[in-house]
Amino acid sequence: EAQVTQNPRYLITVTGKKLTVTCSQNMNHEYMSWYRQDPGLGLRQIYYSMNVEVTDKGDVPEGYKVSRKEKRNFPLILESPSPNQTSLYFCASSFHGQYPGELFFGEGSRLTVL
Amino acid sequence: QKEVEQNSGPLSVPEGAIASLNCTYSDRGSQSFFWYRQYSGKSPELIMFIYSNGDKEDGRFTAQLNKASQYVSLLIRDSQPSDSATYLCAVKGSGGFKTIFGAGTRLFVKA
Repeated sequence: EAQVTQNPRYLITVTGKKLTVTCSQNMNHEYMSWYRQDPGLGLRQIYYSMNVEVTDKGDVPEGYKVSRKEKRNFPLILESPSPNQTSLYFCASSFHGQYPGELFFGEGSRLTVL
Repeated sequence: QKEVEQNSGPLSVPEGAIASLNCTYSDRGSQSFFWYRQYSGKSPELIMFIYSNGDKEDGRFTAQLNKASQYVSLLIRDSQPSDSATYLCAVKGSGGFKTIFGAGTRLFVKA
């Protein structure tokens, strides 16, 4: 089954404790992206990657890191989480350079930073 | 000005009516336009995409695109209570690398 898998789905952590949210896709997509969703603000892009070892900042990259060492995986790293990073996070993937390039989303990871 | 703007709603329509959702975008070079549906607590799922001016129909859904006016809309005919969700307009920009989302319109279909 074609899917984007995120882990963990739910996480409560404390300020400053490093965490990683994993994302894996099995569709051989070149493009992967992380979004955060907050009430009234919609989906905002954090980072994206157009292929292995190619990443770029989205609109709200502060406080986050990513890496793309393998095509299928695109982990999101919070080195020192803060309460303003409490949010619902979505990983998404798509084929790059092909129309229409719709995004396939993971189920989401709800993060609470205390 | 936000890159992709939607009326946040909520939009309330009776069952069987037509729901009309609207979206404007700022990047004139935008290439592809999408409508995603998101149920509460779930991930967005694609309903339709459009990239040519005019209308595109798929079942009860019709997407309309007017690039000159930088306007995209989604019509839902014969609205059902199961259509109650947040509808996200998304635009793939001129660089082809980023998909920008609007904040979404909440739709309620009353039985």
